[in-house]
Amino acid sequence: AQTVTQSQPEMSVQEAETVTLSCTYDTSENNYYLFWYKQPPSRQMILVIRQEAYKQQNATENRFSVNFQKAAKSFSLKISDSQLGDTAMYFCAFMNPNGGALNFGKGTSLLVTP
Amino acid sequence: DAGITQSPRYKITETGRQVTLMCHQTWSHSYMFWYRQDLGHGLRLIYYSAAADITDKGEVPDGYVVSRSKTENFPLTLESATRSQTSVYFCASSESPGANTGELFFGEGSRLTVL
Repeated sequence: AQTVTQSQPEMSVQEAETVTLSCTYDTSENNYYLFWYKQPPSRQMILVIRQEAYKQQNATENRFSVNFQKAAKSFSLKISDSQLGDTAMYFCAFMNPNGGALNFGKGTSLLVTP
Repeated sequence: DAGITQSPRYKITETGRQVTLMCHQTWSHSYMFWYRQDLGHGLRLIYYSAAADITDKGEVPDGYVVSRSKTENFPLTLESATRSQTSVYFCASSESPGANTGELFFGEGSRLTVL
């Protein structure tokens, strides 16, 4: 089974600053999907950004971007201009298209302070 | 409303009791999943289903039973609840992985406490 590692259990950033959350994964597959999900205190799981492994270009969604390093099996999330509403648990996830299920990391709790 | 709904949202039960968590989706998604979320473990897959009448075990299936007689429903049953099954349970659904983006859509979660 593929493993997903988030090495930062907790992080803190000041409003308007930039923060990067780390994620590494282990797989022998060549084609797969990677995701970042956000879970605010409401507990709802919200998709932040998605990356297809066959695409070399890093995905971007407004203030959120990823640094996808396929050879290094690294998939970090950069949040620019952090906002108080970004305070949440962030989960990195891997999906093998043949399987359908997501394998999640243990999460990084991000606190954005004024 | 369209989407994926879970019930109950909160449940307190006692050790040894049977509990069923319901999940209903209105998108006609092929795939459905049950995860549990525990502090320090993230989300772990319990069971999943690729279509009606097709189910498969995930990472932590022991003590759980699922069924999928209809595409839109995927109930999760704890046949004899234990304290270790105290958790937040998430149901999710997706289209066929290769057909679209692979995104999972999650319900709001069911918090289960076993005393």
